[in-house]
Amino acid sequence: EGQLVQSGGGLVQPGGSLRLSCAASEFTFSSYWMNWVRQGPGKGLAWVSRINGDGSSISYADSVRGRFTISRDNAKNTLYLQMDSLRVEDTAVYYCVRSRVVRRIISFDPWGQGTQVIVSS
Amino acid sequence: DVQMTQSPSSLSASVGDRVTISCRASQRISTYLNWYQQKSGEAPKLLIYTVSSLQSGVPSRFSGNGSGTDFTLSISSLQPEDFATYYCQQSYTTLYTFGQGTKLEIK
Repeated sequence: EGQLVQSGGGLVQPGGSLRLSCAASEFTFSSYWMNWVRQGPGKGLAWVSRINGDGSSISYADSVRGRFTISRDNAKNTLYLQMDSLRVEDTAVYYCVRSRVVRRIISFDPWGQGTQVIVSS
Repeated sequence: DVQMTQSPSSLSASVGDRVTISCRASQRISTYLNWYQQKSGEAPKLLIYTVSSLQSGVPSRFSGNGSGTDFTLSISSLQPEDFATYYCQQSYTTLYTFGQGTKLEIK
């Protein structure tokens, strides 16, 4: 079914940078679109970014476009999120998520365990 | 953007109760609707996809229904492990959006 194990995150000052990583196993990583989804403190879920299997197609939510960069290394079965120019409102738990397509309809499964990002001075 | 609105935002119920959570899309989304369950301190898990298909391992007391703009998630007989927050999500547009969540609490 697949497993996603995340690393990275932590405390950073406004304007700083962080890189999140997500190691995939038990599925053919290069065959799947991958996403980042975040959840602010006490808030709901918000899609952040996605990338296709070979990295040639990428999309971002308006709130992070121009500041965050999604990428992948299929040789290492790893997804990344480079977060620059971080803002207080970027504080959230970030989840790595695989896109699953059934009858042309996309759902998210599985999810990584989540990693906390705190942006504060 | 497609806005997803869930109701109620919170719900108190007892073990054995039947509960229904609603999700309304701001435009028609056909059957591009999924439900997720998130327990406290854990990552969300896919519960139901394409409106009514149960993810592997999900008990049959869960069911989903709807089309167009109005959807429901029902739990026929609540079990202690069902108390969690539930989110709907649309994938009709590539700017995937979630509902704000419904927190199901023990009465």
